[in-house]
Amino acid sequence: NIVMTQSPKSMSISVGDRVTMNCKASQNVGNNIAWYQQKPGQSPKLLIYYASNRYTGVPDRFTGGGYGTDFTLTINSVQAEDAAFYYCQRIYNSPPFGAGTKLELK
Amino acid sequence: QIQLVQSGPELKKPGESVKISCKASGYTFTDYAMHWVKQAPGKGLKWMGWINTYTGKPTYADDFKGRFVFSLEASASTANLQISNLKNEDTATYFCARPAGHITTTRYYFDYWGQGVMVTVSS
Repeated sequence: NIVMTQSPKSMSISVGDRVTMNCKASQNVGNNIAWYQQKPGQSPKLLIYYASNRYTGVPDRFTGGGYGTDFTLTINSVQAEDAAFYYCQRIYNSPPFGAGTKLELK
Repeated sequence: QIQLVQSGPELKKPGESVKISCKASGYTFTDYAMHWVKQAPGKGLKWMGWINTYTGKPTYADDFKGRFVFSLEASASTANLQISNLKNEDTATYFCARPAGHITTTRYYFDYWGQGVMVTVSS
């Protein structure tokens, strides 16, 4: 079974900083990755699909990249409302999620 | 607008059963599959499986075979999750989630989610 490994587990960033988080697949998944944002007490929200396609309404400060086994989610000029958990997910067969990265604001 | 509205929180004892619902509106129910995702307290998201809303065929992730049943009330655009013989480790929030692609796709990324149902199992 494919395992999605996210790093780091958590990060503390200042408003306005640029942040990159990582997602590594244990096998080649091509571009079949999605990214979600989840705030406490809320449902996850789709940010990125097929590794680099921004979902409707997602601010352009969110950028997805990567192919094969290594993927990134970059947030340019982090805003206070970006404090959340971020999950990657393989998007075919049994679609496993990564364990998540917690983004905190200083 | 598209909505997935789930039933309310549940408090159950070990060994009991629970059935939670997910009512869809704003789209043709049978055009999109419905998936289920578990989130234990303070933990990440775990995909449980999905149900084909056109044929009614369920598919379960390995960890959710046996006590978990996905079903439909298609006439009511509702998907259900039933968990039998509840255990403490079933304490979690359960989300229904709709894939962005048509039911024929094999690519499952989720653009609409229910609000989640908190199931608490405690003696």
